[in-house]
Amino acid sequence: KAGVTQTPRYLIKTRGQQVTLSCSPISGHRSVSWYQQTPGQGLQFLFEYFSETQRNKGNFPGRFSGRQFSNSRSEMNVSTLELGDSALYLCASSPAGSRNEQFFGPGTRLTVL
Amino acid sequence: AQSVAQPEDQVNVAEGNPLTVKCTYSVSGNPYLFWYVQYPNRGLQFLLKYITGDNLVKGSYGFEAEFNKSQTSFHLKKPSALVSDSALYFCAVRVPSVGATNKLIFGTGTLLAVQP
Repeated sequence: KAGVTQTPRYLIKTRGQQVTLSCSPISGHRSVSWYQQTPGQGLQFLFEYFSETQRNKGNFPGRFSGRQFSNSRSEMNVSTLELGDSALYLCASSPAGSRNEQFFGPGTRLTVL
Repeated sequence: AQSVAQPEDQVNVAEGNPLTVKCTYSVSGNPYLFWYVQYPNRGLQFLLKYITGDNLVKGSYGFEAEFNKSQTSFHLKKPSALVSDSALYFCAVRVPSVGATNKLIFGTGTLLAVQP
């Protein structure tokens, strides 16, 4: 099976702009989670979608949003970008059931100037 | 609050020697525990997990981990380190009792450096 894919791999934006990141999960996986990775804060959970519904949300401002489509593909959006949003954004997918491990994509490196 | 601690920012070991990367957790309820590895400019790669059953779990690339409920630890081990094992290692926990979620709580990561 093909792994989790994320597009784009790299992005450079300026403060105040918005950005949309895309994630295609492994075929058959219905759960998609997003994480932000920064040197200072480490890996932090953003949100999880399952069958097009947000199932859980981390402690991030409302500028961070996401959605999931009927084919399980997911997008996350960050509006009004701030310098501190510069990070590696990781998407992970897993089959239904909390005993399963998550499979991570390569990430999108976002740089905000 | 649920949390995971990796007390060592970096672990240095000589090739061929055994390695241990430490992880302790603080959760309410019975946790599911995971180890992931991250190579530079890459996503996280799953190594192994503990759900229930035997306290010693074996995973990919010769890694294993021991679940110790009384010490709330889940240390990652390998009998003989390879230079190619050099990477960033993350311990993570999921608490199924808090509801239907795949949310993982990660430790801060431990950089493993294996010297030839």
